[in-house]
Amino acid sequence: GAGVSQSPSNKVTEKGKDVELRCDPISGHTALYWYRQSLGQGLEFLIYFQGNSAPDKSGLPSDRFSAERTGGSVSTLTIQRTQQEDSAVYLCASSFSQGAIQFFGPGTRLTVL
Amino acid sequence: AQKVTQAQTEISVVEKEDVTLDCVYETRDTTYYLFWYKQPPSGELVFLIRRNSFDEQNEISGRYSWNFQKSTSSFNFTITASQVVDSAVYFCALSESLTQGGSEKLVFGKGMKLTVNP
Repeated sequence: GAGVSQSPSNKVTEKGKDVELRCDPISGHTALYWYRQSLGQGLEFLIYFQGNSAPDKSGLPSDRFSAERTGGSVSTLTIQRTQQEDSAVYLCASSFSQGAIQFFGPGTRLTVL
Repeated sequence: AQKVTQAQTEISVVEKEDVTLDCVYETRDTTYYLFWYKQPPSGELVFLIRRNSFDEQNEISGRYSWNFQKSTSSFNFTITASQVVDSAVYFCALSESLTQGGSEKLVFGKGMKLTVNP
């Protein structure tokens, strides 16, 4: 597609449930990033992929968070046993290569009740 | 550790006024990139500019201009003759260079909400 797409755009879940968030990067972009935007913490880095590998996972807040990328394209961020503090907008960005400009998707707004 | 500070949290101006958004950064890297992104009410982050640490030339793009000063670790953004469509949250960000062994993840400031009133 023309830009980074993310699905769903909104997700409401109950505390304790697992959720999966999807990111489709711009075609041909090898680098993919996940960020989280919340009122209290601002915009925070979560994880970085180069191809299918994740050399930087330093921003994942707990072991309930994981992500994978397959075929050097689509990425899925999984949050297990969601907590209310996980409520935030999860943003995905991709870039043509390391060092290039990151282009962001519209985000997934996650609400944990 | 890297840090970006946007001291102003919210600014309100009247259309056609000029407005400057301040950004101060901290890094131990010698090679890094600085960015400005715009987040309109629709929510999507829009890239505005990237500047590398070796290029201190100021840049002008239409009504937008950027002033990068390494001596004061600042990368300020000026909107000339502001318009209602400029209303958004603006984020300054910093990334380390790959040559420093990093992932080039972005470290963002807290953002500055600009409201331009007609």
